[in-house]
This record gives sequence, C-alpha cells and structure tokens, in this order.
Amino acid sequence: ELKVEQNPLFLSMQEGKNYTIYCNYSTTSDRLYWYRQDPGKSLESLFVLLSNGAVKQEGRLMASLDTKARLSTLHITAAVHDLSATYFCAGGSNYKLTFGKGTLLTVNP
Amino acid sequence: SAVISQKPSRDICQRGTSLTIQCQVDSQVTMMFWYRQQPGQSLTLIATANQGSEATYESGFVIDKFPISRPNLTFSTLTVSNMSPEDSSIYLCSVESERNYGYTFGSGTRLTVV
Repeated sequence: ELKVEQNPLFLSMQEGKNYTIYCNYSTTSDRLYWYRQDPGKSLESLFVLLSNGAVKQEGRLMASLDTKARLSTLHITAAVHDLSATYFCAGGSNYKLTFGKGTLLTVNP
Repeated sequence: SAVISQKPSRDICQRGTSLTIQCQVDSQVTMMFWYRQQPGQSLTLIATANQGSEATYESGFVIDKFPISRPNLTFSTLTVSNMSPEDSSIYLCSVESERNYGYTFGSGTRLTVV
C-alpha cells in the first residue's frame, strides 16, 4: 500500500525567500501530483510528474521527481503572499490517489 | 479539463439523517471518485464509481454508510447515511482529467452534523 509523507507540515516564510517542500513515497507510484488548496476551497492541480527526472515549472513553483529516491520536491522561489495555501502531494497507482498530509504555507510580508 | 458541478456546497444536518451529494461532469468519464477530507486533514478516497457496476470501496468505508449511484457517464451521487458528528467533513468528487493533466476535483461539500 502506497504511503506518502510530506514535510514540513507547516511552513512560515518571508516574502522573497526560497524554500522546498518534500514528498516521500513508499512504493512505486505511476505518477506524482501536486495540488494547492486555499481555505474553504477545492483542490487546484499544479503539476503532474510522470517519470524519473521530470521537472515542471509554473511561475514561482517548480516540481521535480526522483523515482529512484521515491522523492518529489516542490520548490518555491521568491515567495509572495499569494502563494499562501496548503500544498498536497499525492501518489497515484491504478487510478487511486494517496495524499500526503499537506503543507500549510504562510508567506509573511 | 473536465468541469465538475458539485452540490450542495455546504449543509448542516441533524444526526441520524442522511445527505445526498451530487456531482455532474461536463463530459463523459469512465470513473468518478469520492473523497473525504476531515477537518484539518488530508484527503482519503472513499470509493470509485463506475457506470453500470457497483462502486468499489476502500478499506474502512462500507456501502451501507456511503451508498453511491452512477446512473450514467456524467453523474454520480454519494449519500452519507445515518450521520453522526464524526461524519462532519468536506466531501469531494473527482474525475481523471485529460491524460497527463491529473485529476479534477469538484468544489466540495462541507458537511456539519449536529
């Protein structure tokens, strides 16, 4: 059974700083997903990573996947307040998503 | 990617009653998924709903408590039966979007049981 661990669970950053959220998973996963959730809202898809070495970037967010290490990272560059949200990674196998516990990111001015 | 309309968006229900949540997708999809997000927690898959067959439930979830219907390729319902305060959660439906675009989630139903 796939298990997904995210860390940190809480992250308070200053605007302009860089930081990385880590996502470890326990067994083979077909794909690795990153989602964003704003308070009281649903999930917004950020990235889908399909293969070893995959790197995707959108604005200040960059996600990568190392299948050998069973590790995905979400790197935040020069954080801005609008990035404050909860970020989830999820592993997928046979159409079933297993989510990490989420990282609550707060970006302070 | 697919667009999902989910309703109700929120409800406050008395314990012992049932609530049916609906999800309508703007395109035909083979599988629909139902998730629960307990307060401050992550998402847990409840079941997978295929049109024309019984839903497949994950460990810890049973059909008597969470009956699911899937009458066609664009619609599904999840019922939360005989509710207790422990059922207070956000319930979300999801479909697989175009390949490589991940999964799309409905806007969620915030359920409070009193």
